[in-house]
Amino acid sequence: GDSVTQMEGPVTLSEEAFLTINCTYTATGYPSLFWYVQYPGEGLQLLLKATKADDKGSNKGFEATYRKETTSFHLEKGSVQVSDSAVYFCALLKAGNNRKLIWGLGTSLAVNP
Amino acid sequence: EAGVAQSPRYKIIEKRQSVAFWCNPISGHATLYWYQQILGQGPKLLIQFQNNGVVDDSQLPKDRFSAERLKGVDSTLKIQPAKLEDSAVYLCASGEQGLGNTIYFGEGSWLTVV
Repeated sequence: GDSVTQMEGPVTLSEEAFLTINCTYTATGYPSLFWYVQYPGEGLQLLLKATKADDKGSNKGFEATYRKETTSFHLEKGSVQVSDSAVYFCALLKAGNNRKLIWGLGTSLAVNP
Repeated sequence: EAGVAQSPRYKIIEKRQSVAFWCNPISGHATLYWYQQILGQGPKLLIQFQNNGVVDDSQLPKDRFSAERLKGVDSTLKIQPAKLEDSAVYLCASGEQGLGNTIYFGEGSWLTVV
């Protein structure tokens, strides 16, 4: 079945460090891919998305490119801030009539000043 | 554009009591989802509506959980009777038709069962 695999956390970085959170997927058809972020005590917010191969989603300095050849959607940011501390979820939107998000397990990021 | 609205934001109840959560999706969104998120875990889909019909409720514990979406707009999720393991965040989300369209989440209703 369709699935999403994320790198395990927690990830701890110093401010201004480079961030990569790996995400790979298994899916039939052509899913859309998403990164959601969850700040402490809050709900899920869409961070960025890509709907087809080679699309690059970007927002708030974060980027991810939909790589069909490697079935990956890795999240990157060149210089993280303390305010980026959160849990990041990679997800795919299953094709077909039953639109359902398939989730990774989440990666916790802590950025230290 | 207004987001997905949920209430109450926080609720503490004793086990065996009942609780109800309300969700108002983004205007025009046909699909509505209820998720359960236990602390430290990812969201788990409880039920998915398309307009006022149920598309998927395979993971809804139907002996204690129920949900409805009358008139295809607002939705209510009820738990009766609550168990300690129901302590979680209940997230409502909505989305439009079309594969590329995004699913948007509310702030969540945080339930503690004591």
